[in-house]
Amino acid sequence: GESVGLHLPTLSVQEGDNSIINCAYSNSASDYFIWYKQESGKGPQFIIDIRSNMDKRQGQRVTVLLNKTVKHLSLQIAATQPGDSAVYFCAESSGANSKLTFGKGITLSVRP
Amino acid sequence: DTAVSQTPKYLVTQMGNDKSIKCEQNLGHDTMYWYKQDSKKFLKIMFSYNNKELIINETVPNRFSPKSPDKAHLNLHINSLELGDSAVYFCASSQGGGRSNQPQHFGDGTRLSIL
Repeated sequence: GESVGLHLPTLSVQEGDNSIINCAYSNSASDYFIWYKQESGKGPQFIIDIRSNMDKRQGQRVTVLLNKTVKHLSLQIAATQPGDSAVYFCAESSGANSKLTFGKGITLSVRP
Repeated sequence: DTAVSQTPKYLVTQMGNDKSIKCEQNLGHDTMYWYKQDSKKFLKIMFSYNNKELIINETVPNRFSPKSPDKAHLNLHINSLELGDSAVYFCASSQGGGRSNQPQHFGDGTRLSIL
């Protein structure tokens, strides 16, 4: 079946460095992609999204890159801070019913 | 000023009981969702309602019955609770479900533990 997955289960980065979290998806019909951050005891928090007619989108300290050719999505976090420590999820949807399929979470750990 | 609020935050109950979880959103969204997150943090959609109409119904046991009295509320009733129902249940909402993709906004979850 279709799946969305992450390359690495955990990522440890030094405070101040840039972080890159990668995600692969298998559904070539996917047209909407989104990244969420989940802190302990909280619900997923929207970070940034991108539609399939774009290959890059920037937010505050975050950039999402979409490569539809190889079905790859990445989240870049600039100048990673301790508050960025959390579990990150990518998700995708296709079609009109807004059904999001989530990938496995990856834990980002920021070293002081 | 909580956008998506769920009650209760924690629910501990015995196998075989019936329980309900409530969700309310004050974002003015027209679509609401229920997700289940297992112990490995995997998030899976269960149901979605758009303007009180069921639009997503995944392969969930019929012991689970969602109810949407209005656009701002989506409740989840679970009959005959089983050990495997232990999980964190998240409610979410978005605008334009069924016609466009917009970010879904999540509540902080209900931690259900079955004894």
